Amino acid sequence: NAGVTQTPKFQVLKTGQSMTLQCAQDMNHEYMSWYRQDPGMGLRLIHYSVGAGITDQGEVPNGYNVSRSTTEDFPLRLLSAAPSQTSVYFCASSLTSPNEQFFGPGTRLTVL
Amino acid sequence: GQQLNQSPQSMFIQEGEDVSMNCTSSSIFNTWLWYKQDPGEGPVLLIALYKAGELTSNGRLTAQFGITRKDSFLNISASIPSDVGIYFCAARGGGSQGNLIFGKGTKLSVKP
Repeated sequence: NAGVTQTPKFQVLKTGQSMTLQCAQDMNHEYMSWYRQDPGMGLRLIHYSVGAGITDQGEVPNGYNVSRSTTEDFPLRLLSAAPSQTSVYFCASSLTSPNEQFFGPGTRLTVL
Repeated sequence: GQQLNQSPQSMFIQEGEDVSMNCTSSSIFNTWLWYKQDPGEGPVLLIALYKAGELTSNGRLTAQFGITRKDSFLNISASIPSDVGIYFCAARGGGSQGNLIFGKGTKLSVKP
């Protein structure tokens, strides 16, 4: 099992550009989530999904979109990047609930 | 909103020392989790606690779910160099709407 994979590992964007952060898991987990981590902060939940076709907002959803067309994939879309979205983004998954999540290696995003 | 207050923010360890850190809140939670994050990687689950008063060990790590359900403690015995990193507490309320929230982390470094 590859676990939770994220691409790209690093990305630099200009303000206003859009992009998609990819996340995939091969553990047949129903629950998937996206977090952002800023210096000196814990992880903050952006969006989550309890299964294919079902998504919901977390604590900091503004400026981000998600969709879940398959169990395996949960992409995060930045619609119009802003410098405030400079952060490290982590995707995570777990069997059915937010408990005991497995985290991916992260995507480090810089918006200029 | 719900917040987790994690302390200390940082600490220095000498090999062989015991380490203690804690996480407190004014809110009641049904689940407490402890994660460790190494530089450039995603958090890894160390211990999960599901019952008030529960004491659980994982090797040299021991964590407790506070009896009031508002706090949790993590102890590391006989620390070794590979214990350095950032330790996060996380907690979740009950029901389907209970998302995981994270503390800001305790950074463990080696004494110079």
